[in-house]
Amino acid sequence: KAGVTQTPRYLIKTRGQQVTLSCSPISGHRSVSWYQQTPGQGLQFLFEYFSETQRNKGNFPGRFSGRQFSNSRSEMNVSTLELGDSALYLCASSLGRGAHNEQFFGPGTRLTVL
Amino acid sequence: AQKITQTQPGMFVQEKEAVTLDCTYDTSDPSYGLFWYKQPSSGEMIFLIYQGSYDQQNATEGRYSLNFQKARKSANLVISASQLGDSAMYFCAMSPMWNAGNMLTFGGGTRLMVKP
Repeated sequence: KAGVTQTPRYLIKTRGQQVTLSCSPISGHRSVSWYQQTPGQGLQFLFEYFSETQRNKGNFPGRFSGRQFSNSRSEMNVSTLELGDSALYLCASSLGRGAHNEQFFGPGTRLTVL
Repeated sequence: AQKITQTQPGMFVQEKEAVTLDCTYDTSDPSYGLFWYKQPSSGEMIFLIYQGSYDQQNATEGRYSLNFQKARKSANLVISASQLGDSAMYFCAMSPMWNAGNMLTFGGGTRLMVKP
């Protein structure tokens, strides 16, 4: 069974641009969550999608948005990029919702904003 | 709100010895799940072990065990017989069960270095 895949793996953008990251969950998984990892703030929850609906959202500005498609694939978008958006963006999928569901993480997309 | 504290930024352990990574947490949720993840230099987060707050027994998974002390709000990870491949960042995390969501709160992590 294929794991969680994220594309692209590396991305370089300049301030003010916008970016879209993609996450394909494990086959059969319906929940996708996104996390941002930076040296200063650590790992922070961005949002969670289940059945094409955003179920939870972290404390991030409206520039960060996402969506989930009917095949459970998810995208996140960051508009008007800032230098502080440079981070490793991790996507995780799980079969269902609830703390007892193991979340499987993808390899991440490393975004650099210049 | 939930908070996870990992007080050991970095640790060394001799190969084949056991090591304990500390994790304390704070939450007002009556039920929750506790997790440990390993992150090698490649960046991918690898699930190690899970403990539910109402589980009576401490969780074990191979060489990993979770020392759960609910009254002290601690969930320490014990790795037995350390291997060189265990060198990585280790994160403690928790998620409430009340909203049935998948929203992990992570600690700052501990970098474990295994010496040959």
